[in-house]
Amino acid sequence: QQQVKQSPQSLIVQKGGIPIINCAYENTAFDYFPWYQQFPGKGPALLIAIRPDVSEKKEGRFTISFNKSAKQFSLHIMDSQPGDSATYFCAACQSGAAGNKLTFGGGTRVLVKP
Amino acid sequence: DTGVSQDPRHKITKRGQNVTFRCDPISEHNRLYWYRQTLGQGPEFLTYFQNEAQLEKSRLLSDRFSAERPKGSFSTLEIQRTEQGDSAMYLCASSLIGWTDGYTFGSGTRLTVV
Repeated sequence: QQQVKQSPQSLIVQKGGIPIINCAYENTAFDYFPWYQQFPGKGPALLIAIRPDVSEKKEGRFTISFNKSAKQFSLHIMDSQPGDSATYFCAACQSGAAGNKLTFGGGTRVLVKP
Repeated sequence: DTGVSQDPRHKITKRGQNVTFRCDPISEHNRLYWYRQTLGQGPEFLTYFQNEAQLEKSRLLSDRFSAERPKGSFSTLEIQRTEQGDSAMYLCASSLIGWTDGYTFGSGTRLTVV
């Protein structure tokens, strides 16, 4: 049962391009939506997160767009760099529910070519 | 090191053997989580502790799996009678109760069952 669907599975962009990763969720009780970045052999690292009371959040070159009515959210990486090459995971959580468990999407492998 | 530490980083075991992994969370964090990540997939929740109490276990956690957090500090995850399907990355994460900024993952233990 995949409650968070992520697309595309992989993405190749040139340096300076803007990779866009999309996620859709089903559970309307989710109220916290983080994005994690994972490099090979490492655990996921929190990149940026958003709550449904805002439609957009920016942190450095990373931007989340959130569409509550469509139950979709996306990550944009502005001015992408080769060092951004990694796997990105969206996730969702019902904060305040027991445990604050995260439900992850399937991941997107991003390759930024120099 | 103030991050989440996991040991060992890699474990190769023969089918049928028992294995145990250790996680040392960030010291002031009272919640500790175990997730499993198979190749090319997002992490999946296994179980979590609040202090020393194990409050939830996923259906993924069969009776061959057991986790402990004896003094509310470090945690161990044991897999008995390992199967090839247990091959995965086992991730530990920790957080404070009532977090607003997500939780911190360790680098994981990569288990290979041969």
